[in-house]
Amino acid sequence: NAGVTQTPKFRVLKTGQSMTLLCAQDMNHEYMYWYRQDPGMGLRLIHYSVGEGTTAKGEVPDGYNVSRLKKQNFLLGLESAAPSQTSVYFCASSYSTRGVNQPQHFGDGTRLSIL
Amino acid sequence: KQEVTQIPAALSVPEGENLVLNCSFTDSAIYNLQWFRQDPGKGLTSLLLIQSSQREQTSGRLNASLDKSSGRSTLYIAASQPGDSATYLCAVRGSSGSARQLTFGSGTQLTVLP
Repeated sequence: NAGVTQTPKFRVLKTGQSMTLLCAQDMNHEYMYWYRQDPGMGLRLIHYSVGEGTTAKGEVPDGYNVSRLKKQNFLLGLESAAPSQTSVYFCASSYSTRGVNQPQHFGDGTRLSIL
Repeated sequence: KQEVTQIPAALSVPEGENLVLNCSFTDSAIYNLQWFRQDPGKGLTSLLLIQSSQREQTSGRLNASLDKSSGRSTLYIAASQPGDSATYLCAVRGSSGSARQLTFGSGTQLTVLP
C-alpha cells in the first residue's frame, strides 16, 4: 500500500518554463489537496478537489492550475514558472469530509526551485 | 480568517524530559484539530486528531488536549527520546468551505538531545 505518491521528488526550472506535478493515491479517497510549504509559513492550500472531474481554489491559487481526470490522480500545473513559486509542494488526500473528522494523508513532497 | 500560531518555534530538551508544545487558533468555530509530525525532507504524518466535541486524545506517549473556547491545544510528549526529534505542526479544520480546509501553524522544531 503506497499511500500518496508524488512525482517528481526534485526539480529545477528556469523562469517561464512549465511543468506538471503528479500526485497519485491508492486509498480510494474522494478528496485531494495541493499545498505549498515555505519557511516560517506553514502549509498553505493551493487547490483542492472533492471528486473526479471537480476542482476548487484554495488560499493561494494564482499561477497554478489543476486537473482531476481520474479519482486516484491530482495534477498540479505551473504554466509559466516564477521564482516566487520556489517551494516544497505537498499533495494530500482524505475520505469525504462530509463527516468532517477524516485525517488527511500526505505524500513526501516535491522540492521545486525556480531560477 | 483563521490564524494558527505555534509557540515556541524551536525547542531543545534533554532525553527523558516531559514536554508540552502549544498551538493557538483565532476562530473557535472548528470541526477538529490535528497534530502532525514532519521529519526533515519528508511529508507529514498524522499523530492525533481531536474532534471539536472532545477534550483530549492519547496515543502511546502522546497526549493532545483541546480547549475550543479559548482557542488552544497542547501536545504533551512524555519521556522524550532522540527519535522524537522532528517538526510538529498543528492544523485546524474550519467550518466554511465544502472541503473543510485545514489551516496550519508554522510548526515547532523539536530536538531531543541524547
